[in-house]
Amino acid sequence: RKEVEQDPGPFNVPEGATVAFNCTYSNSASQSFFWYRQDCRKEPKLLMSVYSSGNEDGRFTAQLNRASQYISLLIRDSKLSDSATYLCVVDPYSSASKIIFGSGTRLSIRP
Amino acid sequence: EPEVTQTPSHQVTQMGQEVILRCVPISNHLYFYWYRQILGQKVEFLVSFYNNEISEKSEIFDDQFSVERPDGSNFTLKIRSTKLEDSAMYFCASRERLGVNEQFFGPGTRLTVL
Repeated sequence: RKEVEQDPGPFNVPEGATVAFNCTYSNSASQSFFWYRQDCRKEPKLLMSVYSSGNEDGRFTAQLNRASQYISLLIRDSKLSDSATYLCVVDPYSSASKIIFGSGTRLSIRP
Repeated sequence: EPEVTQTPSHQVTQMGQEVILRCVPISNHLYFYWYRQILGQKVEFLVSFYNNEISEKSEIFDDQFSVERPDGSNFTLKIRSTKLEDSAMYFCASRERLGVNEQFFGPGTRLTVL
């Protein structure tokens, strides 16, 4: 099983639609979870951290299910500027060591 | 807003040559990282660095790779004898301290090995 697994997409949805991405991780002891956004040929940028209780930031909602080792991201009222690759990221130890990236899910918003 | 910077933005080199990729992490950050991303693939961890020594390295980070913090600001990645498969985007990242989760990424150096 891959350490972090995502549906690669692409998701092609109309502006204003709601879209959801899922991610699973293999290490049940993992401590911290994130969604990063990566535009074409650019660096990853933190979109939001994911907390056990679920958290919301404007149009974005992230959920964590530790029992199922599953993370989700929901984007409501999608904008053209949301077009990007969304990376599920796991910090297995919450220490100074590495973070582990999923392969990313490509999202394309059409007018 | 403070940011991680990297130079050069694009490096082209011949197979077998040495390259040095440079990074300037955010000034008060203590933990530094190199990642790479081969075109069309996922971001992969290479190495983490704290207190002037390597904390962790991946299987990719073999004897051809080395890192250094030669002064108070720069953090470098050296590849001694480049191979074609080293062609990738190399990202530097830094983290402020333990307990702060976010790693801030630089804009990357695109390395092309011919």
